[in-house]
Amino acid sequence: GAVVSQHPSWVICKSGTSVKIECRSLDFQATTMFWYRQFPKQSLMLMATSNEGSKATYEQGVEKDKFLINHASLTLSTLTVTSAHPEDSSFYICSSPGSYGYTFGSGTRLTVV
Amino acid sequence: EDQVTQSPEALRLQEGESSSLNCSYTVSGLRGLFWYRQDPGKGPEFLFTLYSAGEEKEKERLKATLTKKESFLHITAPKPEDSATYLCAVQAGGNTPLVFGKGTRLSVIA
Repeated sequence: GAVVSQHPSWVICKSGTSVKIECRSLDFQATTMFWYRQFPKQSLMLMATSNEGSKATYEQGVEKDKFLINHASLTLSTLTVTSAHPEDSSFYICSSPGSYGYTFGSGTRLTVV
Repeated sequence: EDQVTQSPEALRLQEGESSSLNCSYTVSGLRGLFWYRQDPGKGPEFLFTLYSAGEEKEKERLKATLTKKESFLHITAPKPEDSATYLCAVQAGGNTPLVFGKGTRLSVIA
């Protein structure tokens, strides 16, 4: 079946630094990638949608200059959290749709100290 | 605006005590309703997709049903390993992002 590999699974960074999260489709071409954020005991909230070769579209309230998304190939989409602050600490998950349904990455736990 | 509401927020069951989780939704044109299981620190694990009212799907101790306004996830004789958060989500269009509910945290006690 379709697999999305997400790395890292967890990361701790200092305030003010940047962190990159990668999602790779291993056995299919991910034309579209959805990026979600999940706070404790909360739902998965859509942050942005990326399409290969074009600019990402961001949900209302999500700062595009803070959460940089790159989808330069059909197998790789990245989310970079720039100038991270403690309030950015959360669980980030990517998901790609297709004829097989929606495939999710395993998630990245980001802790900003 | 598409919305998904799940209840209860948390549920504690004794092993073998059957129960149901509810997912109420409002969506402009339902393409599919999805159930996922999520373990702590993990991504969602696919369980079922339901497409039309009256549809039912089963997998081991789980059975999902769908009406025009809600879906139920029935858990029969649960075991401790069924403890997880169960997420419901709706799809409103082709290749559009899923809209998720907050989930039901299920604890099954031996």
